[in-house]
Amino acid sequence: DVKVTQSSRYLVKRTGEKVFLECVQDMDHENMFWYRQDPGLGLRLIYFSYDVKMKEKGDIPEGYSVSREKKERFSLILESASTNQTSMYLCASGAVAVTMNTGELFFGEGSRLTVL
Amino acid sequence: RKEVEQDPGPFNVPEGATVAFNCTYSNSASQSFFWYRQDCRKEPKLLMSVYSSGNEDGRFTAQLNRASQYISLLIRDSKLSDSATYLCVVRYNFNKFYFGSGTKLNVKP
Repeated sequence: DVKVTQSSRYLVKRTGEKVFLECVQDMDHENMFWYRQDPGLGLRLIYFSYDVKMKEKGDIPEGYSVSREKKERFSLILESASTNQTSMYLCASGAVAVTMNTGELFFGEGSRLTVL
Repeated sequence: RKEVEQDPGPFNVPEGATVAFNCTYSNSASQSFFWYRQDCRKEPKLLMSVYSSGNEDGRFTAQLNRASQYISLLIRDSKLSDSATYLCVVRYNFNKFYFGSGTKLNVKP
């Protein structure tokens, strides 16, 4: 059974704190993604990685950084948390798409971050 | 402008009803199309891919209209267990997946 595991389901942090969100997948996928999900806005892509040490900005990278030192692990870092970063964070992984209609994403259960 | 637009609903339907959701996307270079399902407080999961010729999976039928940049999902004979939020997803450049904000479906007994 495929598995994407996020380290924390719920976190409460204070403004200005550094926050690490960890994600591990056991499917040997090349691609990993971090999204945030907010009511009415859907899932928005923060960063993705298509290989170890490789990363690309998504649509809302400001205030975030990522790290991918090993294939199975993709970390999201909030250098200085702010209240507008209160959200549900979803990690996903997926294999390299080999045909037009492949490319399923597998999601972790999410990390709900509250910044006070 | 959002990459993917969906009617948020909710759609409230009785069991056994047929219900249809639509979705429009803005990037004509989009390569692949999907419907995901997200249950309350759960992660999204793939429901089905959407093929150019249209495709069916049991009670679910997906259609794609590239000319109008429009995707649809039809659910026949709705079940209580179909209650969820349905996310329209488009992909381009192989690695960029864009999600709509979802359409909420409530199936009532």
